[in-house]
Amino acid sequence: GIQVEQSPPDLILQEGANSTLRCNFSDSVNNLQWFHQNPWGQLINLFYIPSGTKQNGRLSATTVATERYSLLYISSSQTTDSGVYFCAVFLWAAGNKLTFGGGTRVLVKP
Amino acid sequence: ETGVTQSPTHLIKTRGQQVTLRCSSQSGHNTVSWYQQALGQGPQFIFQYYREEENGRGNFPPRFSGLQFPNYSSELNVNALELDDSALYLCASSWELAGGDFGPGTRLLVL
Repeated sequence: GIQVEQSPPDLILQEGANSTLRCNFSDSVNNLQWFHQNPWGQLINLFYIPSGTKQNGRLSATTVATERYSLLYISSSQTTDSGVYFCAVFLWAAGNKLTFGGGTRVLVKP
Repeated sequence: ETGVTQSPTHLIKTRGQQVTLRCSSQSGHNTVSWYQQALGQGPQFIFQYYREEENGRGNFPPRFSGLQFPNYSSELNVNALELDDSALYLCASSWELAGGDFGPGTRLLVL
């Protein structure tokens, strides 16, 4: 099945810093989502981004489908950005499911 | 908030017991998918229900089963609980199979 790898596994930031999270996937996909999981376990969808670039406030994401990777940018980080960030890919041929990476655990210190 | 609700929020069971978890999908969504998230890992796909029928299953044994009702809400049933079933169980609802908005999850502890 399709493999999804995220890096780095852990990230510690000072408030106000910028960061880049990476997601590599092993096959062409129909869709890719970035999620933020808060400390209570809620998964919040950040982006649907099978290709191209999208921005939402201090967050932006870029997916280069031909090279099978996606990047999530966090600018001017805040303590509320702490949590785990997951990317997940969707491929019709692999069944109707999201395949998640292992996540990047982000801690933003005040 | 996504409009997807799950109950209960927390649950403690003992090994060998049975458990039923519930998910109410977002209004207008006809697809519910269930995921298991063990501590420190990404969610793993259990199965999906589309228009009241199972429509795809991950690598989980038959003691994991489910239902979807005419209002598109869903249940996840786990029989003969094992210690390794301790996890966060997430459901996601969507329109026509793809993607999903996730509920807050049910934390299951098996002792």
